[in-house]
This record gives sequence, C-alpha cells and structure tokens, in this order.
Amino acid sequence: KQEVTQIPAALSVPEGENLVLNCSFTDSAIYNLQWFRQDPGKGLTSLLLIQSSQREQTSGRLNASLDKSSGRSTLYIAASQPGDSATYLCAVPFSGGYNKLIFGAGTRLAVHP
Amino acid sequence: GAGVSQSPSNKVTEKGKDVELRCDPISGHTALYWYRQSLGQGLEFLIYFQGNSAPDKSGLPSDRFSAERTGGSVSTLTIQRTQQEDSAVYLCASSLDREQYFGPGTRLTVT
Repeated sequence: KQEVTQIPAALSVPEGENLVLNCSFTDSAIYNLQWFRQDPGKGLTSLLLIQSSQREQTSGRLNASLDKSSGRSTLYIAASQPGDSATYLCAVPFSGGYNKLIFGAGTRLAVHP
Repeated sequence: GAGVSQSPSNKVTEKGKDVELRCDPISGHTALYWYRQSLGQGLEFLIYFQGNSAPDKSGLPSDRFSAERTGGSVSTLTIQRTQQEDSAVYLCASSLDREQYFGPGTRLTVT
C-alpha cells in the first residue's frame, strides 16, 4: 500500500535562502510524482510533474528531483521570497495506477522578509 | 484559459440535510476527480471519472456519498443525510493526461 511522507512538516526561513523540501513514498513502482502548492483557503496549484522516466524537472526557481529506487523526491526552491509562503504537497498515484493520487501531509513554508 | 471551477465556494448545512456540490472541469479534459481535505485526514481521493468508463468509486467513505458526471463534463457530488464528520473542503480536479489541475474547492460545514 502506497504511503507518502513529507519532511519537515513546517519550515520558517529568511528571505533569500535556498531550501529543500522532502517527499518519500513506500511503493517505488510509480508512473509519476506531482508537486503542488496550496495557499491558505485556496485550491491546489500544480508546480511540477515528473514522469517515472525522468530524474528532474525545473520551472523558474523550482527544481524537483525524483529517485524512484530510493522512494524519494525533493523540491528545491532557490532564492526564496515571501511570496513563496504556502503549503507544499507532493502526490503519487495509487499503487498500480497512474491517475488517482495519494498526497503527503504537506510542508508549511513561511519565508519572512 | 478557464480553469476548474466549483460551486458553491462555501456551504453551511444542518446535520441530516442533503447537499450537492458542483464541478466544472477544464474544457476538453477527459478525467475528473473528487478529493476531500479535512484537518484529521489530510487530502484523500473520493471518486474518479474517465471518459465514458464506469467511475472508480473506491474512495467514497460511505453510501451517503455519490457523484455523477453528465455529458462527460460537469460533475455533481451529492452527500445525503450529512453528518458533522462530513465537514471538509471538497476539491475537484481534471486532467487530459497525467497532470491534474484543481479547482478552488467547496468548504462544507455541517452544523
């Protein structure tokens, strides 16, 4: 049974720092992994989707890596800004599938000026 | 282009009443998902529609929950005889391939 864990649960950093958010999953037979951002009281915004054949994906200051064999993904945020403050969630498909997602509990990020 | 929309944004109902939540997916997206986000359980899958195939209802927590998707587009999630534990944010997502796009959610409060 697939389980997703995110560490740390919360993170507070000063503006400008580079930071890493971690996601681990128990079943390495995944088709893809998706990172989302959620602002308070809002829905989820898709940040990056990494296919199982890929090792990493980049979008602007965000870089996500995937190591299927070890069941881990990291989201790297460069030069953090106060506008990056949000909850970051990673999700993988249920075991044996590629559609319905299982989510981690999220990392709540606060970037202070 | 237009994203996923959901209505209402907030719904307060009395215990025992029925509620309907609506989702309008991104035009052309063949897959539609419902998820629920609650304080105690995090974000959990409820039901999945793909084209004209029978929906995957494996995440529905009880037979009080049902959903339909009309014309391969709009979906309605119905909760009958609501209970206080149904209070949560109900999120809808749609996809064309693997990447899922979420709506803003409906916050349901059962009093």
